[in-house]
Amino acid sequence: ETGVTQTPRHLVMGMTNKKSLKCEQHLGHNAMYWYKQSAKKPLELMFVYNFKEQTENNSVPSRFSPECPNSSHLFLHLHTLQPEDSALYLCASSQDYGSPETQYFGPGTRLLVL
Amino acid sequence: GEDVEQSLFLSVREGDSSVINCTYTDSSSTYLYWYKQEPGAGLQLLTYIFSNMDMKQDQRLTVLLNKKDKHLSLRIADTQTGDSAIYFCAESGASGGSYIPTFGRGTSLIVHP
Repeated sequence: ETGVTQTPRHLVMGMTNKKSLKCEQHLGHNAMYWYKQSAKKPLELMFVYNFKEQTENNSVPSRFSPECPNSSHLFLHLHTLQPEDSALYLCASSQDYGSPETQYFGPGTRLLVL
Repeated sequence: GEDVEQSLFLSVREGDSSVINCTYTDSSSTYLYWYKQEPGAGLQLLTYIFSNMDMKQDQRLTVLLNKKDKHLSLRIADTQTGDSAIYFCAESGASGGSYIPTFGRGTSLIVHP
């Protein structure tokens, strides 16, 4: 399998649930990203990891917790979410962080919080 | 206003040319991108242009950059129904040592027969 994959593709959860989103890239890239895509809003960068180290956290609420065990895998742990957190969550990767690199995106996880 | 702005919708007839416009505010932008998002999919890079260029052509796609006006456009020649998607404009520069793109809200292109 090639490219950037994300699982699950769809997720429905209650506000008291705990779930995790998974992203995997098979491109040999060193940087990985989490974005939130809400209707009619610009794409919002949430977290950036470079060589497994978090380099950016764009004022994301603590109910979102990222984890990057290695350069190929990225998780987003979710707990006590709010209905306004419903969105498409996109993972991306690029060769490196800090240089003009093309980002490759996964298909996203469509999240609905009830 | 937002850093990257684009109109939300564009409707064209199959076979016509489509022109999607974008304006940005960062005068230090180094790279400007066009991404395409089909339903149920992530963003796919279509093309990008360096800020020292004013035009780039790639098959049916033509990108024009007016750096003075901070205006970027994407022209799709002979638009097909398969071109129906959301098109995102993005820019990046070396602010803070990274080139992470800033995206616009996306333009929904609707191609009808």
